[in-house]
Amino acid sequence: EIVLTQSPATLSLSPGERATLSCRASQNIENYLAWYQQKPGQAPRLLIYGASNRATGIPARFSGSGSGTDFTLTISSLEAEDFAVYYCQQRVNWPSAITFGGGTKVEIK
Amino acid sequence: QVQLQQWGAGLLKPSETLSLTCAIHGGSFSGYYWSWVRQPPGKGLEWIGEIHHGGSTNYSPSLMSRVTMSVDMSRNHFSLKLTSVTAADTAVYYCAKTVAAQPYYMDVWGNGTTVTVSS
Repeated sequence: EIVLTQSPATLSLSPGERATLSCRASQNIENYLAWYQQKPGQAPRLLIYGASNRATGIPARFSGSGSGTDFTLTISSLEAEDFAVYYCQQRVNWPSAITFGGGTKVEIK
Repeated sequence: QVQLQQWGAGLLKPSETLSLTCAIHGGSFSGYYWSWVRQPPGKGLEWIGEIHHGGSTNYSPSLMSRVTMSVDMSRNHFSLKLTSVTAADTAVYYCAKTVAAQPYYMDVWGNGTTVTVSS
């Protein structure tokens, strides 16, 4: 099973700052990576798919990059509603299992 | 715009069977996988498995001995059963629509059902 490792576990930043979140895969997953945002008491929300494609309605301040084993989610300028937990997810081929990273919490400094 | 509405029993005793259903509103069953994901309190997301509208299934290796998923296309529903639950199965359970081709992602989620296993 492919393991996704997210770092850091917690990111303490102020509104307006840039956030850089990392997701590392235990083996090559090409660009088959998605990112989700989850706020307390809510379901996850798709942000990015295919490593770099923004989902419908996602603001341009969110961007994804990477391929192979190293991926990054960047929030260019944090807004109040961006403080949340972010998860990466992969499925390199079907019918392999879908796996999620452990999450990165972006908190207000 | 597809929306998912889910429901099921929220309190179970150890050894009982968890049963949840998810209804699809505003969209077609066809052409997607329909997944279940769970989240224990204070922890991350765990994929349970998926079912295709045609009925084929794919389960997480760690849960496959206890999981059964099914579809009812006449009602636009899909369901999850998890047998022999323990306290470790306490979690919020989500249903989700999964794109059935690379790069496989979940673009619509239900609101979640909290399931507590306690004697």
